[in-house]
Amino acid sequence: KAGVTQTPRYLIKTRGQQVTLSCSPISGHRSVSWYQQTPGQGLQFLFEYFSETQRNKGNFPGRFSGRQFSNSRSEMNVSTLELGDSALYLCASSRDRGHNEQFFGPGTRLTVL
Amino acid sequence: GESVGLHLPTLSVQEGDNSIINCAYSNSASDYFIWYKQESGKGPQFIIDIRSNMDKRQGQRVTVLLNKTVKHLSLQIAATQPGDSAVYFCAENGNRDDKIIFGKGTRLHILP
Repeated sequence: KAGVTQTPRYLIKTRGQQVTLSCSPISGHRSVSWYQQTPGQGLQFLFEYFSETQRNKGNFPGRFSGRQFSNSRSEMNVSTLELGDSALYLCASSRDRGHNEQFFGPGTRLTVL
Repeated sequence: GESVGLHLPTLSVQEGDNSIINCAYSNSASDYFIWYKQESGKGPQFIIDIRSNMDKRQGQRVTVLLNKTVKHLSLQIAATQPGDSAVYFCAENGNRDDKIIFGKGTRLHILP
């Protein structure tokens, strides 16, 4: 069974640009969550999608957005990139919402110059 | 604010010894706790979880202990091996909003 895949693995952008990251969950998993990981702040929850609807949102500005498609694949978008957006963006999928084991992808390393 | 913290940022353990990684959580309403292991260049990997109606749960070479009175969580790794070298995160899932809040992480370093 294939794991969670994320594309691209590495990305370099400049300030002001926008970026779209993609996540394919494990087959059969309907919940997808996104996290930002930085050395200073650790792992921070961005948002969760289930059945194509955002179910939960962390404390991030509106520049961070996402969506989920009918096949459970998810994308997140960051507009007007800032230097502080440089981070590892992790996607995790689980079968359902709530207290279910989450499986993480390898992440997308975003560098903003 | 919401927080899940760790007592020690780095832990060095002799190979073969037992490791104990500690974690303090702040939300007394949290009812589900998870330990993750993250190796360099990889995403976090689920190790073991525990619900608030339990105080101990054992897996293969790992044991999680939950003390709700003092809001403390620990991960015990028996007979630590070189492959256990990683950063370990505790996380809590508040029962109000299902958000998973991660701690800052503890790096486990195995001494030969």
